[in-house]
Amino acid sequence: AQKITQTQPGMFVQEKEAVTLDCTYDTSDQSYGLFWYKQPSSGEMIFLIYQGSYDEQNATEGRYSLNFQKARKSANLVISASQLGDSAMYFCAMIVRDNYGQNFVFGPGTRLSVLP
Amino acid sequence: GAVVSQHPSWVICKSGTSVKIECRSLDFQATTMFWYRQFPKQSLMLMATSNEGSKATYEQGVEKDKFLINHASLTLSTLTVTSAHPEDSSFYICSAREAASSYEQYFGPGTRLTVT
Repeated sequence: AQKITQTQPGMFVQEKEAVTLDCTYDTSDQSYGLFWYKQPSSGEMIFLIYQGSYDEQNATEGRYSLNFQKARKSANLVISASQLGDSAMYFCAMIVRDNYGQNFVFGPGTRLSVLP
Repeated sequence: GAVVSQHPSWVICKSGTSVKIECRSLDFQATTMFWYRQFPKQSLMLMATSNEGSKATYEQGVEKDKFLINHASLTLSTLTVTSAHPEDSSFYICSAREAASSYEQYFGPGTRLTVT
């Protein structure tokens, strides 16, 4: 069964510093996708970054980068130059492609607090 | 970008009544829509997947007769919580996917349901 593990329930980071949020996954499928979403207190899910299992290069989107280590089954999110507005819950998620594209599984989340 | 709306954004209902939540894709046609449930300080749990014109596929443990899902058109899916009880109080989030080959899901802003 597919599973996402996020071992950090909460993280603190000083404004303008970089922070890494951990994510490990478990799947026996060869084709899968890994996502990171941000959920502020308003509840909306904001897509941050995507990494395909066959992508050879780590994904980057502005201040967000994904440190993809396939052999270790980890997909850590790195946020550079943290801002106060980055304070939120962060969810790592995985989707396994099948005929219906289902099995979209979320990790338990990490609450990031950016300190001024 | 792709926008998904949900209505209402929050609702309070009495125990025993039914409440309907709408999920609309505003600028694209959604072949598949997903319904998630999120309890406070927890992750998103997939409830069901619905494809336009066909019956929804429910995740294990989700009561089909209690959570009625209708995906009548390519832009609208509805979730009806029947005979609501206080334990149904939760944050319900929908997401939509444009094409079966697409990996990306666009999330709605969520609906907060409180059953008194």
